[in-house]
Amino acid sequence: DVKVTQSSRYLVKRTGEKVFLECVQDMDHENMFWYRQDPGLGLRLIYFSYDVKMKEKGDIPEGYSVSREKKERFSLILESASTNQTSMYLCASSRDTNEQFFGPGTRLTVL
Amino acid sequence: GESVGLHLPTLSVQEGDNSIINCAYSNSASDYFIWYKQESGKGPQFIIDIRSNMDKRQGQRVTVLLNKTVKHLSLQIAATQPGDSAVYFCAENSGGSNYKLTFGKGTLLTVNP
Repeated sequence: DVKVTQSSRYLVKRTGEKVFLECVQDMDHENMFWYRQDPGLGLRLIYFSYDVKMKEKGDIPEGYSVSREKKERFSLILESASTNQTSMYLCASSRDTNEQFFGPGTRLTVL
Repeated sequence: GESVGLHLPTLSVQEGDNSIINCAYSNSASDYFIWYKQESGKGPQFIIDIRSNMDKRQGQRVTVLLNKTVKHLSLQIAATQPGDSAVYFCAENSGGSNYKLTFGKGTLLTVNP
């Protein structure tokens, strides 16, 4: 079975802190994605990567950056966390099909 | 069906009934559609997918119907069970090679025993 893991299930940070969210997949998938999920807004794509060191902006990249140094790992970085970045963050991966496999999510609270 | 705004569309059914969850998609060029189920506290899980060259696909207890004329997708769940209670999302791939999916806002299905 494909497994996508995220480093934390719950995270509490203060405004202005630098935050790292880590995602690891074990199925050698080329594509990896970061979404945020907010009530009533569904899943919105922040960034995605289709290969090591490659990244593309999604629909809401402002305030975020990403890093993909190894194929299995895709990191989401909040350079200076703000309260409006309080959300559920979901990581996903896919091969050369459209089906994306999701991790369990990280619920981030920024105080 | 899907809607914008802060309130999630909801569907409440009795155990054993059939459920139909609707989704309107936006891009007539989309060639792949997928339904996900998200239970409370978990990430979305794949249910069933369909390509644009089909209008119906069946799985175990689930059927997806695609009407390209009106850009409408539906998920039918037969003999709904309490374990089917979850938020259901449709998603579309707008073509191209980057495998990006655009998700709908979701529908909350509640199954009453």
